[in-house]
Amino acid sequence: DAGITQSPRHKVTETGTPVTLRCHQTENHRYMYWYRQDPGHGLRLIHYSYGVKDTDKGEVSDGYSVSRSKTEDFLLTLESATSSQTSVYFCAISSQIDSNQPQHFGDGTRLSIL
Amino acid sequence: DQQVKQNSPSLSVQEGRISILNCDYTNSMFDYFLWYKKYPAEGPTFLISISSIKDKNEDGRFTVFLNKSAKHLSLHIVPSQPGDSAVYFCAASKGGIVAYGNKLVFGAGTILRVKS
Repeated sequence: DAGITQSPRHKVTETGTPVTLRCHQTENHRYMYWYRQDPGHGLRLIHYSYGVKDTDKGEVSDGYSVSRSKTEDFLLTLESATSSQTSVYFCAISSQIDSNQPQHFGDGTRLSIL
Repeated sequence: DQQVKQNSPSLSVQEGRISILNCDYTNSMFDYFLWYKKYPAEGPTFLISISSIKDKNEDGRFTVFLNKSAKHLSLHIVPSQPGDSAVYFCAASKGGIVAYGNKLVFGAGTILRVKS
């Protein structure tokens, strides 16, 4: 199994509070991704990183920010959480230099915003 | 506007028989396709992939078929086993050398139940 740890695994918080989710990898992979999974939508890309301090937006980036100060850590922040951000969040990593390398996923963080 | 569609939310199959999961895509720029399997409370795990230069890729009990003209791919599991019961996601990406990462587009998933 790819060495990916997501923390926390579960979190319940209130609307308007800031929330930070952490993804930690031990594989020294260059690329890291944050997805959210919602019923009827599969997984949708929020943000991704192609190196330390190099990040870009994905399909559903509004309301989210990310930071990557070290190769092994990729943080996802909800500055002011809303109920629509209740979801399961997955981090993924890959070492690819071409497209034909799969991404490997962590076990997810279940986030509930009341 | 979903670029990758899995139109069957669920599928139920008898143990030992074939499971066929389908996926359609609309973006002709996609040239790499993957299937992931997901158990409850776990992350998706990579199952099998296919490049657009091929029409079939096989790995043990799992075979993926790609029909580019129809923009359709399918995953065949033969024989199906109870441990195959999971959610299966189809994903696609635009290929080539991607210095900035490879963004996957996922379908909504199909729940497979294999009955013993």
